Amino acid sequence: SYVLTQPPSVSVAPGQTARITCGGDNIGSETVHWYQQKPGQAPVLVLYDDSDRPSGIPERFSGSKPGNTATLTISRVEAGDEADYFCQVWDSSSDHMLFGGGTKLTVL
Amino acid sequence: QITLKESGPALVKPTQTLTLTCTFSGFSLSTGGVGVGWIRQPPGKALELISLIYWNDDKRYIPSLKSRLTITKDTSKNQVVLTMTNMDPADTATYFCVHKWDYNDYVGDWGQGTLVTVSS
Repeated sequence: SYVLTQPPSVSVAPGQTARITCGGDNIGSETVHWYQQKPGQAPVLVLYDDSDRPSGIPERFSGSKPGNTATLTISRVEAGDEADYFCQVWDSSSDHMLFGGGTKLTVL
Repeated sequence: QITLKESGPALVKPTQTLTLTCTFSGFSLSTGGVGVGWIRQPPGKALELISLIYWNDDKRYIPSLKSRLTITKDTSKNQVVLTMTNMDPADTATYFCVHKWDYNDYVGDWGQGTLVTVSS
C-alpha cells in the first residue's frame, strides 16, 4: 500500500526557515495537503492542493512539490509554529485517505 | 460556522463494542457532496481515517477495520454514529469527527476529539 514518509523531527531557530518533507512513490502525481497539530488540539489544515492556504493561514506557510518529495516551508518561524505537521494524500489505488507519520517541529 | 463534537465513553473493556456519536452544526448531511467521517490517532502516533459517510449514504471503511465498523447517519438530528466491535487495547486513541466534501481530498473541519481508552 501507499506510504508517506516524513522526518520525525525538524528543529529551527526563530526567524529562520523550516522545511518539512513528505516522500511517497510518484508523489508528484498526487495532490498533497498539510495539517498542523498542537499538543492536545485537533489538527488544522494549513495547506491544501499542494500549495493553497485556507483563510487565516499566514503567507509564511507555503508548499511545493519538486520531484518525488512534497515540502511544507514555514518562513520566519515563530515560537507559535511549534507543532506536529502531517502530510496527507488521497490514494487513488485504495480510494482512501492516507497520512504521513508526522514531523515534530521544534523552535529552538 | 461548522462545528463538530464527539461523544461517547472514555473507557471501554476489551471485546466490548464502542459507540461514538458526532453531533454537528453549520451544515446538513442532506446537502449534496457533504460527508462526515472519523479519524483516529493513537497516543503519540499518526492520523488514520477509519470511516466516512456521505450525503447519499455512500459509506467507506478502512479495509483493516471494515469487519468491525458500522457508520450511520441521522440527518434529522445532525448526527453520525460509529460503532466498533470487539475493542482491543490497540484501539486506544483519540477519535476525531470530521467534515469533508466529496469533491475535496482533504478535511477542512475537525471536532475537538475524544480519547477512548481500552483497558480491563
